[in-house]
Order: sequence, then C-alpha cells, then structure tokens
Amino acid sequence: GAVVSQHPSRVICKSGTSVKIECRSLDFQATTMFWYRQFPKQSLMLMATSNEGSKATYEQGVEKDKFLINHASLTLSTLTVTSAHPEDSSFYICSASGDEGRTHGYTFGSGTRLTVV
Amino acid sequence: QKEVEQDPGPLSVPEGAIVSLNCTYSNSAFQYFMWYRQYSRKGPELLMYTYSSGNKEDGRFTAQVDKSSKYISLFIRDSQPSDSATYLCAMTRYNQGGKLIFGQGTELSVKP
Repeated sequence: GAVVSQHPSRVICKSGTSVKIECRSLDFQATTMFWYRQFPKQSLMLMATSNEGSKATYEQGVEKDKFLINHASLTLSTLTVTSAHPEDSSFYICSASGDEGRTHGYTFGSGTRLTVV
Repeated sequence: QKEVEQDPGPLSVPEGAIVSLNCTYSNSAFQYFMWYRQYSRKGPELLMYTYSSGNKEDGRFTAQVDKSSKYISLFIRDSQPSDSATYLCAMTRYNQGGKLIFGQGTELSVKP
C-alpha cells in the first residue's frame, strides 16, 4: 500500500528559530500534499494544501509567512515553521494524495511533535 | 453546524464487546468515506475506505455508509485492548484532490 514518511518524528527547538519538517511519498507520486495540525484530544485541522510546482493554498487563519510550504517534487513536501514560538508547539501531520487515494483512501505520515522552548 | 459530526466519547467497553462508532454529515456531495485509527502521538492509520453507499468488511471491522441518511458507521467485533485508540471518520468528494473533512474523533478504551 501507499506509504508516507514524515521526519523528524519529534523536535525541540528554541524560541525564534526555524524548524523544517519533511513529508515524502515513498512508493507513489503525490500530486497533492496536505499539512495538518492537531492539538491534544482534538481532530486534525487542515493548514494548507500544496500541489507540486505551485504555491500552497492556506486555510483561513493560517499565517503563510510563518508556515512555509514547499512542494518541489512529486514525492517531497516540506513545512518550515519560521521564528517558532511556544504557541506553535503542536503535532503536525502530512498527508499525500495520488491517484490511489480515490480507490484506496488517503495515507498520512506518522506525525511530528514540535516543542518550542 | 459542522460538516461532519462525531461523538467524541470517551467510550469504554469490555474486551470482546461489539463497538459501534458513528458519524453524521451534512454535505450530500461526499462520496468517499474513511475511518482512521490514531494511537496517541502517532499519525492516523487508514482502517476502512468506502466509496458511496454500502457495507465493507475487513476482518473484525465493518464499515457502513447510508448516503440517504447521511450516516456512516464503523463496527468492531470482538474488541481487543489493542483497539484502544481514537477513531476518526473522514470524507471527501470528487475533485477535492484528497482534501478530507474529519469528524472530531471518538476515543475508545477496551478494558481487559
């Protein structure tokens, strides 16, 4: 089945620094990748949608200058949290979508727990 | 009103029980329905995927979709302590490119 790899699984950074999270589709071409944020005991909140080779589409209320998304290839998307602050601490999850999604469902990465101190 | 409603629980059952998890939705255009299982501090794992109405069975899991009622269900038979997790329903429609709308998630605990 489709596999999505997300790294790192957890990261601790100092306030004011930037953190990059990678999302890779290992065995299929992901024309679209999605980035979600999840707070404890809450559901997934879509942050942005990225299509290979074009600018990401951000959901309302998500700061595009803080959460930089790059989808440079059909197998890799990155989310960079710039000038991180403690309130950015959260669980970030990516999802990749290719043709298999419509027939087999959509696959998620294992998530990245970001802690800003 | 949210597009997808799911009882957040928590739901606690004894081992071996049949578990019923449900979601209702308001958008009749939804065609693809999924159930995900999420363990603590992990990404969601796809359990069941259904297109349009009908039933689908996979081992101890059965997914049902009733589009006329805008209601989907996940049944877990012979529940095990390892089934303890949060279960999320998700759905999308054609030409959404994989953009999913999630329910709030139901926290399930199966007691030995």
